[in-house]
Amino acid sequence: QKEVEQNSGPLSVPEGAIASLNCTYSDRGSQSFFWYRQYSGKSPELIMFIYSNGDKEDGRFTAQLNKASQYVSLLIRDSQPSDSATYLCAVNNPAAGNKLTFGGGTRVLVKP
Amino acid sequence: GAGVSQSPSNKVTEKGKDVELRCDPISGHTALYWYRQSLGQGLEFLIYFQGNSAPDKSGLPSDRFSAERTGGSVSTLTIQRTQQEDSAVYLCASSFARGSGTDTQYFGPGTRLTVL
Repeated sequence: QKEVEQNSGPLSVPEGAIASLNCTYSDRGSQSFFWYRQYSGKSPELIMFIYSNGDKEDGRFTAQLNKASQYVSLLIRDSQPSDSATYLCAVNNPAAGNKLTFGGGTRVLVKP
Repeated sequence: GAGVSQSPSNKVTEKGKDVELRCDPISGHTALYWYRQSLGQGLEFLIYFQGNSAPDKSGLPSDRFSAERTGGSVSTLTIQRTQQEDSAVYLCASSFARGSGTDTQYFGPGTRLTVL
């Protein structure tokens, strides 16, 4: 079992719809959770982070965290073709230092 | 301000040769990380430097891999006797390292290494 698991996709979403991405993790000591977006051939760029259970909204993006279920998700509202990319979930356990453990990523395709 | 920079952007080498990859972190960032991303794979942690502390080398895949960080700034990742399985994109990231795992890591553009 991988430490951080994501559905590889592709997740095909019509323009204007909501894209829902899921991520599960195995390390119960994980405290910080990050979503990165990676366009093909580019490096990851941070979308948002979440530390506390519940929802956190930033523009069209909402991260949801449930530590009891070891589950973090990302919702993209009003999806645009420019949102087409691979979304990487990353987690950190402070006891293991500042390194991030990444999932394999979910590829999202937003179709006009 | 300037982001994380890496050089070279691309490196093609022959099996058995040594290579050096360079990373220049964001000014003021005390933490520096190396990851690699193989084709179709996720990002894999390699090594982490924080200030003057001993680096966390727990992700280095073999003793052919080493890294230095001079003067708390620029870092060099060295791969000796390269193998074809070393072909990947090597990504560097930096952060302020405030602690408690809450630091946001910012990635450089990466170095694409191809071992023939």
